[in-house]
Amino acid sequence: EPEVTQTPSHQVTQMGQEVILRCVPISNHLYFYWYRQILGQKVEFLVSFYNNEISEKSEIFDDQFSVERPDGSNFTLKIRSTKLEDSAMYFCASKHVGSGPLKSGANVLTFGAGSRLTVL
Amino acid sequence: QKEVEQNSGPLSVPEGAIASLNCTYSDRVSQSFFWYRQYSGKSPELIMSIYSNGDKEDGRFTAQLNKASQYVSLLIRDSQPSDSATYLCAVILSGTYKYIFGTGTRLKVLA
Repeated sequence: EPEVTQTPSHQVTQMGQEVILRCVPISNHLYFYWYRQILGQKVEFLVSFYNNEISEKSEIFDDQFSVERPDGSNFTLKIRSTKLEDSAMYFCASKHVGSGPLKSGANVLTFGAGSRLTVL
Repeated sequence: QKEVEQNSGPLSVPEGAIASLNCTYSDRVSQSFFWYRQYSGKSPELIMSIYSNGDKEDGRFTAQLNKASQYVSLLIRDSQPSDSATYLCAVILSGTYKYIFGTGTRLKVLA
């Protein structure tokens, strides 16, 4: 079964450092997402990406964050100047676009296993 | 008002019983609703999607949607200890591609 692949599974970094989290979405999927889940809290939307540009972003997704699709397969989240409160699990997700974004079947969001970021 | 609300639980049910999980949402125009299961330390995995009012059954799971009441529920029949997890309700906000998740309900199935 196709899956979303994320690397690294766990990254430990010092406060102020930059981190890049990588994702390989399912090959025929066209919408890509990053979500964050702080330990014990809800899964929070960060950003969605389609057709090589950001389609939506949350208030959390400020200038500290950026996303990129550097080639035909990878989708990355860059966090600059990390802070202690950036410690969380970061999930990449993707979905296939059918005949319309709000039609059934095309809307299933598939998540990767996550990248746990620990900022010391 | 929160966009998607769930009781955080824990909801404890004996093995073999029916577990009933509830979710309300604030966007009256939302059309797409999902239930995900998340085991501790793992990523969310889809259980069911529902788009029309009424019931949708898949094995031991039944999702129920009432758009007039802005209410989605998930019933798990013959609950098993392996069903013990956090169940997340998700809604696509109308006019967007944003999937918004509730805080999740933690379910414990007691053997």
